[in-house]
Amino acid sequence: EAGVTQSPTHLIKTRGQQATLRCSPISGHTSVYWYQQALGLGLQFLLWYDEGEERNRGNFPPRFSGRQFPNYSSELNVNALELEDSALYLCASRWGQENQPQHFGDGTRLSIL
Amino acid sequence: AQTVTQSQPEMSVQEAETVTLSCTYDTSESDYYLFWYKQPPSRQMILVIRQEAYKQQNATENRFSVNFQKAAKSFSLKISDSQLGDAAMYFCAYRSLEFSSGSRLTFGEGTQLTVNP
Repeated sequence: EAGVTQSPTHLIKTRGQQATLRCSPISGHTSVYWYQQALGLGLQFLLWYDEGEERNRGNFPPRFSGRQFPNYSSELNVNALELEDSALYLCASRWGQENQPQHFGDGTRLSIL
Repeated sequence: AQTVTQSQPEMSVQEAETVTLSCTYDTSESDYYLFWYKQPPSRQMILVIRQEAYKQQNATENRFSVNFQKAAKSFSLKISDSQLGDAAMYFCAYRSLEFSSGSRLTFGEGTQLTVNP
């Protein structure tokens, strides 16, 4: 069984640009989560998608957005990139039931120059 | 809001020895889930073990076990017979069952475990 896959592995952008990160969940998983792991700030919850809808978001500005497609894959978009957006962005997926754990991908390293 | 605290930024253990990583959390909820994840240099977060708060029995997965003290809000991870492959950053995580929380994970700061040969 394939795990959660994220692309690209590494993304380099400059300030003010826009970035798109992609995530494919484990087959059969309908919930997708995005987390930001910034140096010195730990892992912070960004967004949760389930059945194509945004269900919850963390304490991040609106320039962080995303969507979930009918095949349950997901995109995270970050507009007007700032230097502090440099981080590892982790995607996780979960099967439907609440008691199921989240399974993580390898992450996308976003570097802002 | 819930918080998770890992008070040991770094720990080291000799190969084949036992090490315990500490985690405390703060919550007003009575039912929730707790997890330990490891993150090796390859970056992927790997689930190590999980515990449902309503279960009094401590979870065990092979060489990994937890000491869950609900009243003390403590959730420590014990690694027995440590192996070189156990070297990683370990994160303790909390998940609320409240619908408004969105099933998000709240992570601790992490403990970097070094295993010495």
